[in-house]
Amino acid sequence: AQSVTQLGSHVSVSEGALVLLRCNYSSSVPPYLFWYVQYPNQGLQLLLKYTTGATLVKGINGFEAEFKKSETSFHLTKPSAHMSDAAEYFCAVSDLYNNNDMRFGAGTRLTVKP
Amino acid sequence: NAGVTQTPKFQVLKTGQSMTLQCAQDMNHEYMSWYRQDPGMGLRLIHYSVGAGITDQGEVPNGYNVSRSTTEDFPLRLLSAAPSQTSVYFCASSSSLRIAGGITDTQYFGPGTRLTVL
Repeated sequence: AQSVTQLGSHVSVSEGALVLLRCNYSSSVPPYLFWYVQYPNQGLQLLLKYTTGATLVKGINGFEAEFKKSETSFHLTKPSAHMSDAAEYFCAVSDLYNNNDMRFGAGTRLTVKP
Repeated sequence: NAGVTQTPKFQVLKTGQSMTLQCAQDMNHEYMSWYRQDPGMGLRLIHYSVGAGITDQGEVPNGYNVSRSTTEDFPLRLLSAAPSQTSVYFCASSSSLRIAGGITDTQYFGPGTRLTVL
């Protein structure tokens, strides 16, 4: 089955600094990749997704991610962190043949320091 | 639209008790699913449904039952609660996760139910 690994359970950046959240996937077939954000005491909200086509995907709130097949990665970035970006971020994977079964990573908690 | 709603928000059970977590969506979505979220483990799929009358198991189905009698509702039943089922439960819906022209649709999540089993 497909799986994802998020490197770093907790990332801390200063306001205005680059945000980089790492995600590596494992899938025997072309993957569909997602990043979700979860604010405290809320459900998950989709930030962006990659299915086919352009490997650089832009999402909401200034986030983007690049699908790199050779590195089996889908890292999430934002050029300049804002205090409101503090949340937990989840990478997830499904695929063409198992796309009713989405697997999530363990999550990365992002802290933004003033 | 209310989106995906879940009730209750909080619940405390004793070991062996049964209960049903309710989930409803008003977006006419075909696909609905239940996840549990545990610290350090992300979200794990319990059961899902691709339409009324159709359900299937996810990654961690043991101890849980589901049914889908209508498009709108997808309740999750715990027949005999165990402490290992202490978790936060999320319901989600999507118009479809199946590929149609190379497109997968977004899953919309409910606010969650925090369940404690003593």
